[in-house]
Amino acid sequence: GNSVTQMEGPVTLSEEAFLTINCTYTATGYPSLFWYVQYPGEGLQLLLKATKADDKGSNKGFEATYRKETTSFHLEKGSVQVSDSAVYFCALSDRGDYKLSFGAGTTVTVRA
Amino acid sequence: EAQVTQNPRYLITVTGKKLTVTCSQNMNHEYMSWYRQDPGLGLRQIYYSMNVEVTDKGDVPEGYKVSRKEKRNFPLILESPSPNQTSLYFCASSLGYRGNNNQPQHFGDGTRLSIL
Repeated sequence: GNSVTQMEGPVTLSEEAFLTINCTYTATGYPSLFWYVQYPGEGLQLLLKATKADDKGSNKGFEATYRKETTSFHLEKGSVQVSDSAVYFCALSDRGDYKLSFGAGTTVTVRA
Repeated sequence: EAQVTQNPRYLITVTGKKLTVTCSQNMNHEYMSWYRQDPGLGLRQIYYSMNVEVTDKGDVPEGYKVSRKEKRNFPLILESPSPNQTSLYFCASSLGYRGNNNQPQHFGDGTRLSIL
């Protein structure tokens, strides 16, 4: 079956530091890959997505590249802000299968 | 404004007392789903619905029921809640599969249930 493994947190950074959250996956088909972000007290919001190998998703300064050879979709941001403090979830869904399989989530705290 | 609305946001209740968590979306989405979020486990799918009157089990359906009588609504029913159903619940919706890709899911703000 499908599964997602992401870096365990919590992660604490200073403002303007570089952020990487590792995500690897196993899937039986050709999955689409997603990063969702959950701010305190809110639901999940789509941060970025990639639908095929070598695609790069980007949004709000975050980037992730779909690497089929390493089955990875690592999230990166070059200079984080306090407002980036949130829980980040890596997720996948197989083409034509609407279910999202989520990683456990990584809590990121950015200090001023 | 496009949104998924869940009610209630918070509920504390007792074992065995039936409860319903409502979910409504205003985006004319075909696909709707319920997830529960537990620490260290991420989100796990409870039930999903591909369209009106079409529902199916997700990964953790035991103890839950759903219905999809109208496209916009997808209530989650706990007929006899137990303490192990204490969790944070999210409803989500999407257009499903379009343009050769799975479309992103839109999430509600969550319902925190405590079953004593």
